[in-house]
Amino acid sequence: RKEVEQDPGPFNVPEGATVAFNCTYSNSASQSFFWYRQDCRKEPKLLMSVYSSGNEDGRFTAQLNRASQYISLLIRDSKLSDSATYLCVVNPRQGGKLIFGQGTELSVKP
Amino acid sequence: GAGVSQTPSNKVTEKGKYVELRCDPISGHTALYWYRQSLGQGPEFLIYFQGTGAADDSGLPNDRFFAVRPEGSVSTLKIQRTERGDSAVYLCASSPSGGSNTGELFFGEGSRLTVL
Repeated sequence: RKEVEQDPGPFNVPEGATVAFNCTYSNSASQSFFWYRQDCRKEPKLLMSVYSSGNEDGRFTAQLNRASQYISLLIRDSKLSDSATYLCVVNPRQGGKLIFGQGTELSVKP
Repeated sequence: GAGVSQTPSNKVTEKGKYVELRCDPISGHTALYWYRQSLGQGPEFLIYFQGTGAADDSGLPNDRFFAVRPEGSVSTLKIQRTERGDSAVYLCASSPSGGSNTGELFFGEGSRLTVL
């Protein structure tokens, strides 16, 4: 079983749609969680951290369910510029390496 | 430039050859990471340095892969006897502090390795 699992998609949605991505992780002792964004043929960049209480950054909402070992990212009012691959990322212990999921591809159409 | 710099950006080599990939992290960043990414996959962890020492090399696939960071800044990933399965984009990232406490790794644009 992979340490971090995501639905690879692609998700094809119209502009203005709400889309949700899910991710599960296998290590129950994992310390911290993040979403990264990767544009085509570019390097990954941090989108947002994920906190136990849930957190929001504009149109983006991230949630964590430690009991279910499940992370989600919700994008409201999708824009064409949101088209990218979204990577679920887990830090198995404080400091150290980050483990990336396979990524979920999002394509927002006009 | 202020970002992570990786060279070469593209490398084509023949099976069995030796390859070196270089990473110049953001100045002052103590932590440096190597990942590799195949098409349609997420970045796969290879090795992580804290200063000059390898803090975690559990992701190196076999003993053909080796990385160094002798002065705690520039790092070189070395691949011996390359195989076609080594073809991927090799990504380097750095972060300011020990480990990835903030979750923010600053990635370079990667070195695309093609083994024929």
